[in-house]
Amino acid sequence: DVKVTQSSRYLVKRTGEKVFLECVQDMDHENMFWYRQDPGLGLRLIYFSYDVKMKEKGDIPEGYSVSREKKERFSLILESASTNQTSMYLCASSSPAGTGQGSPLHFGNGTRLTVT
Amino acid sequence: DAKTTQPPSMDCAEGRAANLPCNHSTISGNEYVYWYRQIHSQGPQYIIHGLKNNETNEMASLIITEDRKSSTLILPHATLRDTAVYYCIARTRMDTGRRALTFGSGTRLQVQP
Repeated sequence: DVKVTQSSRYLVKRTGEKVFLECVQDMDHENMFWYRQDPGLGLRLIYFSYDVKMKEKGDIPEGYSVSREKKERFSLILESASTNQTSMYLCASSSPAGTGQGSPLHFGNGTRLTVT
Repeated sequence: DAKTTQPPSMDCAEGRAANLPCNHSTISGNEYVYWYRQIHSQGPQYIIHGLKNNETNEMASLIITEDRKSSTLILPHATLRDTAVYYCIARTRMDTGRRALTFGSGTRLQVQP
């Protein structure tokens, strides 16, 4: 079974703090993604990565950055946390679409971040 | 993504099969049907996907009609742990995880003891 592990289930941070969210997957997947999930807004893509040291912006990258130094690990960084970044953050991974297998997304359990 | 339509809620008795329908009448030839579920306060969980043929894995079976305009997710022996919101998505292969993923409202399945 694919396992995507997010380091924290719950985090409380203060406005202005630098926040690191860590995600590790054990299936040697090339693709990794960071989403945030908010009521009524679905899952919005923040950043994704198709390979080590590669990253691309998603729909809402402002205020975030990412790091992918190793294939299995994808980190999301909030440079200066703000209250509007209070949300559920979800990491996901998938194999490349070119494998012809449909490449479903496998999600972690999420990190519920509260910024006060 | 093709629009999908699901009933808002369903009940199922524990131990019985749960059959969750999804309508995707505008699906295009290269769009897969994916099923996910989300249990309260957890991340979405991938269940199964298919293109044309029926599929089965350790979690569920997916029945896709011949015209591909609808599908049914079958949980053969529902347990209380299967209580969740189930989402049906029709889209091209998931390397388009690069795009926002809209689950819609899904079907809230309540498994009754």
